[in-house]
Amino acid sequence: GQNIDQPTEMTATEGAIVQINCTYQTSGFNGLFWYQQHAGEAPTFLSYNVLDGLEEKGRFSSFLSRSKGYSYLLLKELQMKDSASYLCAVWGGDYKLSFGAGTTVTVRA
Amino acid sequence: GAVVSQHPSWVICKSGTSVKIECRSLDFQATTMFWYRQFPKQSLMLMATSNEGSKATYEQGVEKDKFLINHASLTLSTLTVTSAHPEDSSFYICSARVPGLAGGPADTQYFGPGTRLTVL
Repeated sequence: GQNIDQPTEMTATEGAIVQINCTYQTSGFNGLFWYQQHAGEAPTFLSYNVLDGLEEKGRFSSFLSRSKGYSYLLLKELQMKDSASYLCAVWGGDYKLSFGAGTTVTVRA
Repeated sequence: GAVVSQHPSWVICKSGTSVKIECRSLDFQATTMFWYRQFPKQSLMLMATSNEGSKATYEQGVEKDKFLINHASLTLSTLTVTSAHPEDSSFYICSARVPGLAGGPADTQYFGPGTRLTVL
């Protein structure tokens, strides 16, 4: 089976940095995705990691350690529009994604 | 590119009726689409994998006779919730597998905007 854990909620102020951790235990591994989901909307793709290390995309960076079953999403220079749920998803094979429960990030002025 | 649409965006129906949700890939062909369900404050749960021209593959615990999936063409998959009940009220989201997009991962999924179903 798949087990993906991430914190339920995080709060930060505008302009700050927030790091969302994700740990996983899966029966197979073909990559890890981060998605952003605003309330009532579908998820939108943020990042993908399949090799160990850091992937940087503008204000968002994602890190992966396969040996530790660990990833994090780093959000820099937080903006109010970044308030959303962030989903960690593992591609375990057969092109199936298993999602964590999501981390709700609230950005305060 | 890689736009996925869903119709309808929301639907309210009476208990016992059937509801059909369409998922379309607008600018690409999708041999594989996925159907997810998301209850409030919970994560997405994969219901089934829809393959063009063949039968869908359902996840454990999902009733295939209740959630009928048809992937009749390379751009359209439909999910029909038959004899809907209030406990079927949820946010249904489809996604389409996009293999090997330039500049992206070797394989990823793009999601439709979702359909909110409320069964009275």
